[in-house]
This record gives sequence, C-alpha cells and structure tokens, in this order.
Amino acid sequence: QKEVEQNSGPLSVPEGAIASLNCTYSDRVSQSFFWYRQYSGKSPELIMSIYSNGDKEDGRFTAQLNKASQYVSLLIRDSQPSDSATYLCAVNRPGSARQLTFGSGTQLTVLP
Amino acid sequence: EADIYQTPRYLVIGTGKKITLECSQTMGHDKMYWYQQDPGMELHLIHYSYGVNSTEKGDLSSESTVSRIRTEHFPLTLESARPSHTSQYLCASSVRTFDEKLFFGSGTQLSVL
Repeated sequence: QKEVEQNSGPLSVPEGAIASLNCTYSDRVSQSFFWYRQYSGKSPELIMSIYSNGDKEDGRFTAQLNKASQYVSLLIRDSQPSDSATYLCAVNRPGSARQLTFGSGTQLTVLP
Repeated sequence: EADIYQTPRYLVIGTGKKITLECSQTMGHDKMYWYQQDPGMELHLIHYSYGVNSTEKGDLSSESTVSRIRTEHFPLTLESARPSHTSQYLCASSVRTFDEKLFFGSGTQLSVL
C-alpha cells in the first residue's frame, strides 16, 4: 500500500463546476497535510495546508481533513481553465526528520 | 515568487560522464531538498539538508551525492551518469519550522544517452 494515494485521473470538469480531488494516507499519526499544484513542465507550488479536522477555505479552494478516515480532499469551486494542472497531495511524516511524502497526483482538466 | 534557482534547465549527456546539478536559494532557508520525479509519478526525496555541513539520504536510493558548504548552495553530483538516471530533478527549500512549505526551483530535466 502506498503511503499517500490519489486517483491519477484524468479528471475533467466543465468551467464553473466544482472539482473534487481526493487523497488517502496510511500513517495514522500524520499531522499536517498539503496540496500542491503543478502545471505541466513546471515545479509544484503550495496552494493549501491543513492541520485540523474539518474544512479550511481560501478563496475558491477548500481543503477538507478527516483524520479518523485518513482522508484529505481539495474542492475547487467555480473551476477555471487556468486550474488545469496536476494536484499533488503531501503528508507530513512525524519524527525527527519531518519529511513530506507526496502522492502521484491527480491530473485535472477544466473544459471551457 | 520563490527565489530558488536551478541550472541547467535541461541537460543531455552521455553515459559515464560526471555531472553536477546546481541549486541556489536567496531566502536564507536552513532546509534544502532534492527530489526526483518521473512523468506521472510522485516526487521521491533523494537528499536533504538541515543546514551547513548537514546532509542526509532520503527515501529513494540514489547514486548521487550532495554537499552543503554554504547555506544558499546545495549542488547534486552524479559521478558516472547512466540511462537509469534520466529523470526530472527538483530542488526545494523551506524555513526550519513545523509548517513544511516547500519552495521549488524550476527543475533540471536530465537525459542520459
């Protein structure tokens, strides 16, 4: 079992719709969770971080965390073609190194 | 925009050559990382550093080596490149805090023939 799992997609949604991206993780003691966006041929950039159960909203983006189910999701409201990218889920592994483990990403395409 | 720079952006090289991938950041970050990413695959940590004279191997076994003589500079070296080293190499840095916000460089796409 991979430590961080995501549906690879591709996920296609029409412009203006809500895009829902999901991520599960295996280490129950994970403490912090991140969503990175990676445009084709570019480097990842952080768009959301979440540490507590529940929802965290930032503009059109909402991150949701459920530690009991070991599940984190990202909702993108009013999706735009510029949101088309690969979205990487990353989970912090507790311990002295505090290194991030990345999922393989979900490719999102927003159709005009 | 993050101030972390990688050179070269693209590198095509023959088997057996020694190469060094450069990474520099001007943010004064203590922590620096090298990740390897193949198309459609997750990022794998190959090396990291907590500060000057500190280097550690990551999760993915790698034949590369790194050094950290200055805070701002974290080069990666392959003594003898092989086709299996063909990949995208991403350098990143972060402030030494619990919140692991990584700032990534633009990456080096390495092709070994």
